Amino acid sequence: DAGVTQSPTHLIKTRGQQVTLRCSPKSGHDTVSWYQQALGQGPQFIFQYYEEEERQRGNFPDRFSGHQFPNYSSELNVNALLLGDSALYLCASSRGYGYTFGSGTRLTVV
Amino acid sequence: AQTVTQSQPEMSVQEAETVTLSCTYDTSESNYYLFWYKQPPSRQMILVIRQEAYKQQNATENRFSVNFQKAAKSFSLKISDSQLGDTAMYFCALDNSGGSNYKLTFGKGTLLTVNP
Repeated sequence: DAGVTQSPTHLIKTRGQQVTLRCSPKSGHDTVSWYQQALGQGPQFIFQYYEEEERQRGNFPDRFSGHQFPNYSSELNVNALLLGDSALYLCASSRGYGYTFGSGTRLTVV
Repeated sequence: AQTVTQSQPEMSVQEAETVTLSCTYDTSESNYYLFWYKQPPSRQMILVIRQEAYKQQNATENRFSVNFQKAAKSFSLKISDSQLGDTAMYFCALDNSGGSNYKLTFGKGTLLTVNP
């Protein structure tokens, strides 16, 4: 049974560009949450998707947007990248209670 | 707003010994959940243990146990018989959505090193 799969594992982008990160939830899970983990910090909640709708959002600007597809997979989009967006982006899936995390995407903005 | 504070950036312990990691939190909710997660170099967050606030009994999972002091808003993790594989970042986290599973608020983490 596959866990949470995130792609790509690493990527490097230039300031001002746009990026899309992808997440496939654990089999049977219908909810996807995204977190940003800056170096040396704990993860910070970006938003959560359920039934293809954004259910809750953390304190992140509108440059951060997302989408959930009918198969429950999800994308995180970040526009107009800033150097400060460099971080590990974690996806967590759930159904009912309990999260399963992926191994993240390491984004470096140069 | 809810907050989680881990005051120990780094800790070390000898293999087979016991170590305690500290966590304090703040929330205005009465129904909430607390967690300890482990993040090894593989980067994946792994659930170590979970505590429901309405339960007075402290949670235990094999070598891992918590000391949950609700009035003091304290939630420490005790690791017994430490193993080399326990070396990782440990994060304390709070879900105060009353079990609705909306989001986790994490502390900044404690880097635990188990020495041979």
